Amino acid sequence: SAVISQKPSRDICQRGTSLTIQCQVDSQVTMMFWYRQQPGQSLTLIATANQGSEATYESGFVIDKFPISRPNLTFSTLTVSNMSPEDSSIYLCSVEDLDTGLAGSYTDTQYFGPGTRLTVL
Amino acid sequence: RKEVEQDPGPFNVPEGATVAFNCTYSNSASQSFFWYRQDCRKEPKLLMSVYSSGNEDGRFTAQLNRASQYISLLIRDSKLSDSATYLCVVNGKLTGGGNKLTFGTGTQLKVEL
Repeated sequence: SAVISQKPSRDICQRGTSLTIQCQVDSQVTMMFWYRQQPGQSLTLIATANQGSEATYESGFVIDKFPISRPNLTFSTLTVSNMSPEDSSIYLCSVEDLDTGLAGSYTDTQYFGPGTRLTVL
Repeated sequence: RKEVEQDPGPFNVPEGATVAFNCTYSNSASQSFFWYRQDCRKEPKLLMSVYSSGNEDGRFTAQLNRASQYISLLIRDSKLSDSATYLCVVNGKLTGGGNKLTFGTGTQLKVEL
C-alpha cells in the first residue's frame, strides 16, 4: 500500500488562527480524502480532495472553514481556518488503494496517514 | 439510527481467549466492508476486508450477513498485542466516483495476562 506522511504531526494553536496540514503520498493516487476524529469519536469524512478541481465537501463542512488544495496526484493540504477550541481534533488524510487480501479478490479501500493532532486554546 | 453501530466495549479478555465483535449497518446499498484496527493515538490500519462468503486471516475470521446487515469479527487465541480499538467500516459510492467509508465508533479490546 502507499506510504503516506503528514506534517505537522501535532500543533497547539491560538483561537482565531489558521493551520495548514500537508499530506504527501509516495505514489500517484487518484483519490485523496480528509477526515476528522474528535476525542473519543470515530472518523468523519470532511471532504474528497480532487486533483485539478475543487474539493467535494460532506454535509456539515464548508470550503471557507476547511479549504483544501490538491495541486498534483501525490500531495494535498487541508487548512483549518479561524480555529476555535471545538476544532481540536486529529486530522487524517487517506488515499484510496486496493486491498489484495484474498487471492484473486481486490477491494477498494483506504489507507491513512499518521494524523495531525491539533489542540486549539 | 447510526449508519454503523458497534458495542463500544471495553472487552477485557485473558490472553488466549476467543472474542467476537459485532457490527450492524443501516444502508442496504453498502457494497464492501472492512475491519480496521486503531491503536491508541495512532491512525486506523486495515485489518481485513470482509467478503460475502466469510474469510479468515490467521487468527482472525470475518463474517458478513447481508440479509441482516450484520458483520462480525472473531479473534482466536488472543494476544496482548491484539489490544486496540476495532473499527467496523462500510463502503458506499461517492457521487463523483470513489468510495465513501463510514466508520463505526469502534469496539475497544483489552487482552490481559
